Amino acid sequence: EPEVTQTPSHQVTQMGQEVILRCVPISNHLYFYWYRQILGQKVEFLVSFYNNEISEKSEIFDDQFSVERPDGSNFTLKIRSTKLEDSAMYFCASIERSASTDTQYFGPGTRLTVL
Amino acid sequence: AQKITQTQPGMFVQEKEAVTLDCTYDTSDPSYGLFWYKQPSSGEMIFLIYQGSYDQQNATEGRYSLNFQKARKSANLVISASQLGDSAMYFCAMSHLTGNQFYFGTGTSLTVIP
Repeated sequence: EPEVTQTPSHQVTQMGQEVILRCVPISNHLYFYWYRQILGQKVEFLVSFYNNEISEKSEIFDDQFSVERPDGSNFTLKIRSTKLEDSAMYFCASIERSASTDTQYFGPGTRLTVL
Repeated sequence: AQKITQTQPGMFVQEKEAVTLDCTYDTSDPSYGLFWYKQPSSGEMIFLIYQGSYDQQNATEGRYSLNFQKARKSANLVISASQLGDSAMYFCAMSHLTGNQFYFGTGTSLTVIP
């Protein structure tokens, strides 16, 4: 069964450093998402991406964040200058066509720890 | 504005018993989807069940069923014959046709007692 993959599974970085989190969505899916989950809290939407551009973003997704689909398979989230409060689990997800009818499949997550 | 509400931060159920996890939602969009995900301690998000706003019947997937009451805007998850492996966080989520964004509730922690 096709699945969303994410690398790395765990990333440790120093405050102020840039990190890139990588995701490979399911190949025939059209919509891609990034979410974060601070430990013990709910899943928060960051950004959705369709047709090579951002379709929606939340208040959390400020200028420190950017997303890219550099080739036909990868979908990346970059945090330019990490802060302590960026420590969280980051989930990538994808859906095939439509958010109201299609299941959103999640990757296993990348745990980001900012020291 | 809070779009998905899960009022039970923690629930306990005896093994082999059924349990209902509550979820209410708020939307003015006539076309939406409702989802439940399970998040075990390992952290991954596992899709359990989906209900479309136009579906006439309640969704079922094995031991999971969704009690969809559209007028009340509720989408409760029923787990029958609970197993120890069901112990996890459970998140209710809603999607809209417009915007393609998913909204998650705060989750319910379920503990199955042997």
